[in-house]
Amino acid sequence: RKEVEQDPGPFNVPEGATVAFNCTYSNSASQSFFWYRQDCRKEPKLLMSVYSSGNEDGRFTAQLNRASQYISLLIRDSKLSDSATYLCVVIVKTSYDKVIFGPGTSLSVIP
Amino acid sequence: DAGVTQSPTHLIKTRGQQVTLRCSPKSGHDTVSWYQQALGQGPQFIFQYYEEEERQRGNFPDRFSGHQFPNYSSELNVNALLLGDSALYLCASSLVTSGGTYEQYFGPGTRLTVT
Repeated sequence: RKEVEQDPGPFNVPEGATVAFNCTYSNSASQSFFWYRQDCRKEPKLLMSVYSSGNEDGRFTAQLNRASQYISLLIRDSKLSDSATYLCVVIVKTSYDKVIFGPGTSLSVIP
Repeated sequence: DAGVTQSPTHLIKTRGQQVTLRCSPKSGHDTVSWYQQALGQGPQFIFQYYEEEERQRGNFPDRFSGHQFPNYSSELNVNALLLGDSALYLCASSLVTSGGTYEQYFGPGTRLTVT
């Protein structure tokens, strides 16, 4: 089993739709969680951190369920510019921080 | 303040050759990590350098080696290139802030094609 798994996608949604991405992780020592966005042929960029209490940044809401080892990202009112690959990232605390990326979920927002 | 920079942006090599990729971290960052991202996949961790030493290593063969210099910049070397080494190679610099927050930024990557 992979350490971090995501919805396989791709997701094709119309503008204005709400879309949710799911991510699960297997290591209970995971301590920090992030969502990154990666545009085609570009580097990943931090979208938002994920906190236990859940957090919101404009149209984006991230949730963490430690008991189920599950992270989600909700995008409301999708824009064409939201089209990208969304990567779930987990940091496992060992002697050093071990950063693990999920495989990513591709989103295409269609006019 | 320049972010993470990498060179070259693109590279074409033939099987069996050797390649060196370079990375300069974001100002103030002392840790550099290298990732390999094959098409359609998430980045896979290669190794991490801190204080000029390899601190962590992912599941990559010894053909992949690296170095960190006193100014925190880093190189990734790949020997005996295989077709399967074709990928986007990402460098990320990071630090843990005084508040305990992990901060990581990626460079634009080097796209390596092995023919």
